[in-house]
Amino acid sequence: DVKVTQSSRYLVKRTGEKVFLECVQDMDHENMFWYRQDPGLGLRLIYFSYDVKMKEKGDIPEGYSVSREKKERFSLILESASTNQTSMYLCASSLGRWTEAFFGQGTRLTVV
Amino acid sequence: QQQVKQSPQSLIVQKGGISIINCAYENTAFDYFPWYQQFPGKGPALLIAIRPDVSEKKEGRFTISFNKSAKQFSLHIMDSQPGDSATYFCAASWGYNNNDMRFGAGTRLTVKP
Repeated sequence: DVKVTQSSRYLVKRTGEKVFLECVQDMDHENMFWYRQDPGLGLRLIYFSYDVKMKEKGDIPEGYSVSREKKERFSLILESASTNQTSMYLCASSLGRWTEAFFGQGTRLTVV
Repeated sequence: QQQVKQSPQSLIVQKGGISIINCAYENTAFDYFPWYQQFPGKGPALLIAIRPDVSEKKEGRFTISFNKSAKQFSLHIMDSQPGDSATYFCAASWGYNNNDMRFGAGTRLTVKP
């Protein structure tokens, strides 16, 4: 079974903190994605990556950065957390063209 | 501004009825259109997907209808069951390896027994 593992299910951070969300996949997938999920807005793409060290901005990259140093790991970084970044964050990976994306369980981040 | 527009936001259907969820897109470069199902506390999981070279795909009780000229696609759930109650997301992707994937806002489906 493909597994996408996010490092934390729940996280509480203070405003201004630097926050790291980690995601690891075990199926040698090329593509990895970070989304945030908010009620009524669905899944909005923050960043995606199609190879090691390659990254592309999605719809809402402001306030976020990403790192992909190894193929299996894709990290989302909140440079200076703000309350409007309180959300559910979902990581996903896919093998390539016309293939299923597999999601992690999500990280519920609360910024206070 | 979302690249994939989904409606309705919520849907209530009686057991045995047909659930229909619609999506529309603008970017003609999209070439893969999956539907994902999400239960509370879980990540989304692929339900069914279609490529634009076909107009319909059926898997069990789930059917995608695709209208390339109208840039619309829809999910039909036949004989809806209470176990189908979940949030459904349409998505569209393009790019090298379909690495750019965008989602609709989601539809919360409730099937009443």
